[in-house]
Amino acid sequence: GNSVTQMEGPVTLSEEAFLTINCTYTATGYPSLFWYVQYPGEGLQLLLKATKADDKGSNKGFEATYRKETTSFHLEKGSVQVSDSAVYFCALSGSRAGGTSYGKLTFGQGTILTVHP
Amino acid sequence: GAGVSQSPSNKVTEKGKDVELRCDPISGHTALYWYRQSLGQGLEFLIYFQGNSAPDKSGLPSDRFSAERTGGSVSTLTIQRTQQEDSAVYLCASSLAYDRAQPQHFGDGTRLSIL
Repeated sequence: GNSVTQMEGPVTLSEEAFLTINCTYTATGYPSLFWYVQYPGEGLQLLLKATKADDKGSNKGFEATYRKETTSFHLEKGSVQVSDSAVYFCALSGSRAGGTSYGKLTFGQGTILTVHP
Repeated sequence: GAGVSQSPSNKVTEKGKDVELRCDPISGHTALYWYRQSLGQGLEFLIYFQGNSAPDKSGLPSDRFSAERTGGSVSTLTIQRTQQEDSAVYLCASSLAYDRAQPQHFGDGTRLSIL
């Protein structure tokens, strides 16, 4: 079946530091890939997505590139802010080649990010 | 426009009671999903609807769980004879269509606590 593995947290950074959260996946065919963010006390929000190999998703200064050869979708931001403190989830939506996993989101375990002033 | 709305936001109930959770998707979204978020299991898929039909119920944890959707809109997730292991945040999401490329938009969830 499909699976997503994220780097373990928590991740603690100072403001303006560079952020990378690693995400790798296992899936049949060509899934779509997503990053969701959950701010304290709030629900899951879509941060960015990529639907085919070499696509780059970007939003709010965050970027991630769909790498088929390394089955990865690492999240990066050049300069984090205190307001970026949240839990980040990498997720995939299975392709039709994946059978019954099509269209359903499989999530990683989440990475807690804390940014200090 | 309004996002996905879930009610109640919090529910505390005694073991053995039945509970009903409600989800109101984004208007025009034909696909609707239920997930569960718990400390031990992370985020796990429960069930999805295309229109009013739920083609795959294999993600439901047991036969105490059921869900329905009416009018291609509101959905309810019902848990009968609740157990302590049912304690979790139940999340609902909707998307324009049931398609891997369509992003799913989530509600704030219902936090269910079983005493």
